[in-house]
Amino acid sequence: AQSVSQHNHHVILSEAASLELGCNYSYGGTVNLFWYVQYPGQHLQLLLKYFSGDPLVKGIKGFEAEFIKSKFSFNLRKPSVQWSDTAEYFCAVMWGSNYKLTFGKGTLLTVNP
Amino acid sequence: DTGVSQNPRHKITKRGQNVTFRCDPISEHNRLYWYRQTLGQGPEFLTYFQNEAQLEKSRLLSDRFSAERPKGSFSTLEIQRTEQGDSAMYLCASSSPDRGLIFGPGTRLTVT
Repeated sequence: AQSVSQHNHHVILSEAASLELGCNYSYGGTVNLFWYVQYPGQHLQLLLKYFSGDPLVKGIKGFEAEFIKSKFSFNLRKPSVQWSDTAEYFCAVMWGSNYKLTFGKGTLLTVNP
Repeated sequence: DTGVSQNPRHKITKRGQNVTFRCDPISEHNRLYWYRQTLGQGPEFLTYFQNEAQLEKSRLLSDRFSAERPKGSFSTLEIQRTEQGDSAMYLCASSSPDRGLIFGPGTRLTVT
């Protein structure tokens, strides 16, 4: 079955620390990859997406993600986090083209000032 | 665009009652999706429409659930004979090729 794994349930960092959140999916074929973010009290927002081309994708607010096809991974990174990055982050994968996304369970990021 | 809107934002109901939620997608989006999110989980796909046609339903969508999009614009999700296990956040989204899924704020259902 198609599945998405996010390795960390809760990550706690201090401001200015670097961030890497892991995401792996179950098997290959053609995939489109997404990271969504949910800030406290707000709804899910698209952070970045990969459809094709350069496997290093840049998104909003200084986030980037790298698609490594051989590892079935799409890890999210940010070189220096801010308190305002405190949120829950969801990785999602689309197999096919109908935007039926399979989400991971999410990673809660807490950034301490 | 004005975004995806959902009503109501919160619904508390007693077990066995029927509830209906409404979703208004972004006007130019012809695809509309329903997802469900429970505590500690990511959103799970329930069903989606292209215009008024319901193209796919998840096995999560039991016979008590029905979704409609009668004129290809807004959609409703009805749950009959609610159970405590139906308590969740119900999310609606619409899609565009360049932006992916755009989610609404969700309707939080609590079944007592």
